[in-house]
Amino acid sequence: DQQVKQNSPSLSVQEGRISILNCDYTNSMFDYFLWYKKYPAEGPTFLISISSIKDKNEDGRFTVFLNKSAKHLSLHIVPSQPGDSAVYFCAASESNNFNKFYFGSGTKLNVKP
Amino acid sequence: NAGVTQTPKFRVLKTGQSMTLLCAQDMNHEYMYWYRQDPGMGLRLIHYSVGEGTTAKGEVPDGYNVSRLKKQNFLLGLESAAPSQTSVYFCASSYEAGSYTDTQYFGPGTRLTVL
Repeated sequence: DQQVKQNSPSLSVQEGRISILNCDYTNSMFDYFLWYKKYPAEGPTFLISISSIKDKNEDGRFTVFLNKSAKHLSLHIVPSQPGDSAVYFCAASESNNFNKFYFGSGTKLNVKP
Repeated sequence: NAGVTQTPKFRVLKTGQSMTLLCAQDMNHEYMYWYRQDPGMGLRLIHYSVGEGTTAKGEVPDGYNVSRLKKQNFLLGLESAAPSQTSVYFCASSYEAGSYTDTQYFGPGTRLTVL
């Protein structure tokens, strides 16, 4: 049973608008969360992370929000650009076991010009 | 720096054949990982290594073996390939795995088909 879920396989957004990608998790012991971005024929690349002591982390156009009570995190991209079109994976880990990351199935984002 | 490289990029095997996937990193990272990615599922950890000469099982280790004889290389072996092992395999490495600021660096993947 997947401990990290991304229930939207795809998302289409107009250039310049906000993209919101969602991720849910079931394991309450998870306290470190990451988002990765993946282009076709390439490996995932790290985008942004957040630990459970925070509820928000920003890096330029990318913001991750964490709602621990709902076991939910989201990635906001503002403004969205065509180059953001990729598959986005969320991942989670326990701080006492950083060796093991659990990944969601990914959301394919398409930003239309 | 080349980062994390994987060899080969593509491979087709027949059921029962064996093969080894090679992962190499030039970042002097201690930790290395092998994942598989299947349609509709996230990356799942097969095996990992916390340093030269060490290996440990991940989430889906059955049917695979690994070796870390040199710090920069992490090999994934399939002794007797099965169609269920058709997947895209990703290798990753990280400097350490005990920090909230750490992250994993991934290779480009190996697409394996077992007929």
